[in-house]
Amino acid sequence: RKEVEQDPGPFNVPEGATVAFNCTYSNSASQSFFWYRQDCRKEPKLLMSVYSSGNEDGRFTAQLNRASQYISLLIRDSKLSDSATYLCVVNENNFNKFYFGSGTKLNVKP
Amino acid sequence: DVKVTQSSRYLVKRTGEKVFLECVQDMDHENMFWYRQDPGLGLRLIYFSYDVKMKEKGDIPEGYSVSREKKERFSLILESASTNQTSMYLCATTGASGTYEQYFGPGTRLTVT
Repeated sequence: RKEVEQDPGPFNVPEGATVAFNCTYSNSASQSFFWYRQDCRKEPKLLMSVYSSGNEDGRFTAQLNRASQYISLLIRDSKLSDSATYLCVVNENNFNKFYFGSGTKLNVKP
Repeated sequence: DVKVTQSSRYLVKRTGEKVFLECVQDMDHENMFWYRQDPGLGLRLIYFSYDVKMKEKGDIPEGYSVSREKKERFSLILESASTNQTSMYLCATTGASGTYEQYFGPGTRLTVT
């Protein structure tokens, strides 16, 4: 079983739509949670950290559900520029214990 | 802003060659990492370093070695490149203890023929 699982998508949504992704993790010892954005053939870039019960940054909201062991990312009012792959990353507060999901691809269409 | 740079964006090498990939960060961060990213497999940790001359194996260290002689520089070495090492190689860094946010370099797309 993978440590971190994500639906690979693609999620195809129109501009202005609200879209949500989930990411499940298997180890209850996980302590830190992140969403990264990765454009095609580029490096991952930190989008949001999720340290407690949730985090909001403009159109983006991340939630953590420790009981069910998943985190979610909600994007409101999608823009064409939101098209990318979104990676979920989980850490056990140990520098050699980062676990990456394979990513969820989002296509926002006009 | 954290800046992480990698020596090459694209590299083509022949089987059996020794390959050096270099990563430099400008933020005095302690921890540096080397990952490879392959379709469907996500990012996998090769090695990481938590201080000068200190290193730890990650999940897939076989066929690789690393060097950290200065705090800002972390090198990945493929002793004898093989075709199954064709991949995207990403360097990352994290800051002071207590933070686990990683910052990535632009990546090196290595092709071994």
